[in-house]
Amino acid sequence: GQQVMQIPQYQHVQEGEDFTTYCNSSTTLSNIQWYKQRPGGHPVFLIQLVKSGEVKKQKRLTFQFGEAKKNSSLHITATQTTDVGTYFCAGRQSGGSNYKLTFGKGTLLTVNP
Amino acid sequence: GAVVSQHPSWVICKSGTSVKIECRSLDFQATTMFWYRQFPKQSLMLMATSNEGSKATYEQGVEKDKFLINHASLTLSTLTVTSAHPEDSSFYICSARDQGPRSYNEQFFGPGTRLTVL
Repeated sequence: GQQVMQIPQYQHVQEGEDFTTYCNSSTTLSNIQWYKQRPGGHPVFLIQLVKSGEVKKQKRLTFQFGEAKKNSSLHITATQTTDVGTYFCAGRQSGGSNYKLTFGKGTLLTVNP
Repeated sequence: GAVVSQHPSWVICKSGTSVKIECRSLDFQATTMFWYRQFPKQSLMLMATSNEGSKATYEQGVEKDKFLINHASLTLSTLTVTSAHPEDSSFYICSARDQGPRSYNEQFFGPGTRLTVL
């Protein structure tokens, strides 16, 4: 079955440093979504990437979708303490039905003020 | 934005009892809802896809007779954990897919239900 790998599992940074998490799928994806889960909270949708090579920005967050539509990354510039949480990528398999998403294991980001 | 509620937010029960968890989409209709299970500091594991008006689709390894899913309306899906045991203790989260014309087909998650089985 489809597998989505995400690295690193944990990342601790000083406030102001950059952060990147990487996602890799064993199969080609029709789209990939990113979610953020704050400690004690539930996942919240951040963005969806659909096109090969797509790059989207949300303020300090930059999302990329690989040319082969099998990998993706999330980059945060100049982290702030409000960025703390676990970031999950979730891929929908190309040709899949039911809009089922396969989640990566997530990257827990902690920020030292 | 789209809101999904879950009830109860937490429940403690004795081993052998059954627990029902409700998932509601408050401001949109969802023909498809998803039930996940999340262990501490781990990812979301999809248990089943709940389809309004039809049988749920269970992921491999998930016992359908133990985790009963009912999706009787476009805004409500329920998960019943039957004869719960301590190993069923977990965080159960539902999500609903927004199928509206302006949506990205993203999933909106409920706040989750913390189940503890004694």
